[in-house]
Amino acid sequence: NAGVTQTPKFQVLKTGQSMTLQCAQDMNHEYMSWYRQDPGMGLRLIHYSVGAGITDQGEVPNGYNVSRSTTEDFPLRLLSAAPSQTSVYFCASRGQETQYFGPGTRLLVL
Amino acid sequence: GESVGLHLPTLSVQEGDNSIINCAYSNSASDYFIWYKQESGKGPQFIIDIRSNMDKRQGQRVTVLLNKTVKHLSLQIAATQPGDSAVYFCAEHLYTGNQFYFGTGTSLTVIP
Repeated sequence: NAGVTQTPKFQVLKTGQSMTLQCAQDMNHEYMSWYRQDPGMGLRLIHYSVGAGITDQGEVPNGYNVSRSTTEDFPLRLLSAAPSQTSVYFCASRGQETQYFGPGTRLLVL
Repeated sequence: GESVGLHLPTLSVQEGDNSIINCAYSNSASDYFIWYKQESGKGPQFIIDIRSNMDKRQGQRVTVLLNKTVKHLSLQIAATQPGDSAVYFCAEHLYTGNQFYFGTGTSLTVIP
């Protein structure tokens, strides 16, 4: 049982490039989320999904897309990277109550 | 306690002492709370949780206290060890909207 896994661990992008951050969980959780973590701020919700085929926006969705074709996977796409998207990104999944996080992806946009 | 800003609140304790980390949450309608530990370069790790119908819950070396009157949550760590050094933050779950909201955290340093 690996829990929540994320790839890549680190990524450097140039402004305007696109990329996909991968997230997978093996706990059969319906609820999955993407957060970003910036210095001095709490985790902020980007997008979330309550089950396969269902996604919704969180607090800071602009510049990001998500899809949920399977229960296990919840990729986050940056359409055209901007320096303001430099951050650490965490994927999380939730069962009944408790929310578990992945190890994070550190993204630097130049 | 936790705050918004560039610098995290810090707490330094001697190894073996008890630690108390505080969190002021914002919404009286929050029904569930989690404490997380985050070590440098890692993802948040679940420590302990508590429902709003409880005022105390104990785990292994950790205790969470909830005071709904003043919207305050605390995490007590007994016999603090060097491996406890990390950032600790609380999360509150709001039933309406089914979302978690996170504090900025407190940085705990354990002095050997």
